Amino acid sequence: QVQLVESGGGLVKPGGSLRLSCAVSGFTLIDYYMSWIRQSPGKGLEWVSYISYSGNAIYYADSVRGRFTISRDNAKNSLYLQMNSLRADDTALYYCVRLDRSLDGFDMWGQGTMVTVSS
Amino acid sequence: QSALTQPASVSGSPGQSITISCTGTSNDIGVYDYVSWYQQHPGKAPQLMIYHVTNRPSGISDRFSASKSGNTASLTISGLQAEDEADYYCSSYTTNSLYVFGTGTKVSLL
Repeated sequence: QVQLVESGGGLVKPGGSLRLSCAVSGFTLIDYYMSWIRQSPGKGLEWVSYISYSGNAIYYADSVRGRFTISRDNAKNSLYLQMNSLRADDTALYYCVRLDRSLDGFDMWGQGTMVTVSS
Repeated sequence: QSALTQPASVSGSPGQSITISCTGTSNDIGVYDYVSWYQQHPGKAPQLMIYHVTNRPSGISDRFSASKSGNTASLTISGLQAEDEADYYCSSYTTNSLYVFGTGTKVSLL
């Protein structure tokens, strides 16, 4: 069955960096766009970034552009999010999500990895 | 890139129908039929309920239906059941190739 398992979250000081990873299984990664979506504690969903099949097209939300970098390694069945210059408002549960372009919908979600930015 | 606007909460009695609105702009909902809806139970990851405005993925109950008019999309839950108590989010693709979510609606039973 389809699985997306995030890792790499934790506590980091403001201005620090963190790299999230997502290991996928149960489907062929190169057949799908992939995305990161976050949810601050008690708040709503916020789309963060998505990347096309081979990484040729990448888009970011205004709130993270210039600080976050999404990447993928299809051979390793993995998705990544490099987060730099972290701020308190980046504190959230980060979901690795499959974006099915035939549906234009986020059809498979991981359980998330928590990122806390605090001094 | 402002969030789509949803009511904070909607409630209904078991068996009734409720409708959740999702208001965007001519740069997202108004121009594309790429509206999707998600259900999220407490402590769980969201689940895709509707895609392309009106379509249900396999396995989603036909009690869930959706539509769009102008800049506003709507999700209707018919025959409300206890298991429908959850948070619901809309989402749309935008003219600058980004995605945006709604503010979220908490559905509760009376």
